[in-house]
Amino acid sequence: AQRVTQPEKLLSVFKGAPVELKCNYSYSGSPELFWYVQYSRQRLQLLLRHISRESIKGFTADLNKGETSFHLKKPFAQEEDSAMYYCALNGKGAQKLVFGQGTRLTINP
Amino acid sequence: NAGVTQTPKFQVLKTGQSMTLQCAQDMNHEYMSWYRQDPGMGLRLIHYSVGAGITDQGEVPNGYNVSRSTTEDFPLRLLSAAPSQTSVYFCASSSTGAKMWEQYFGPGTRLTVT
Repeated sequence: AQRVTQPEKLLSVFKGAPVELKCNYSYSGSPELFWYVQYSRQRLQLLLRHISRESIKGFTADLNKGETSFHLKKPFAQEEDSAMYYCALNGKGAQKLVFGQGTRLTINP
Repeated sequence: NAGVTQTPKFQVLKTGQSMTLQCAQDMNHEYMSWYRQDPGMGLRLIHYSVGAGITDQGEVPNGYNVSRSTTEDFPLRLLSAAPSQTSVYFCASSSTGAKMWEQYFGPGTRLTVT
């Protein structure tokens, strides 16, 4: 079964501090993993994808198959990073995203 | 391009009523899907379609029907609304080409069933 777990419903950090949003997954094959973000009053949108291995808005995420994790990290948080973040898994060829429960990130000034 | 549009934005129904949530996209995407978003549960897939005339069930399909008569439209029907269907509903679409992995979401419909 495919499952995505985000253990933190809420995460609050101060501006300039490092941020790590945790994501663990369960999948028997080689998954595609994504982070989606929903800013206040905006649509859910793709933040990054593990295969691209790029940094978007200062965020990076590394797939760790041994720990079945895909944590999202940013070294220095900014106030505009406050949003709801969802980790998602796409099973092989399925195009059906399985989402985690989401983590609401708040960056305090 | 308008992208993915959804109507209505808000809706209040009484238990037992039926209604259709509309979803349309103008990006010529083959793949469309419906999710519901509930607090503490993330987004869960209700139904999806890989092209006109083809639909399939997702994780939580009970109480919902879909059809896909055109590439552009993918309506979601609630046959007999129940309070458990109170949620925010999102429609999404993606292509089947090189960027098939990126889903584009609509703004959502907030539904309350009393």
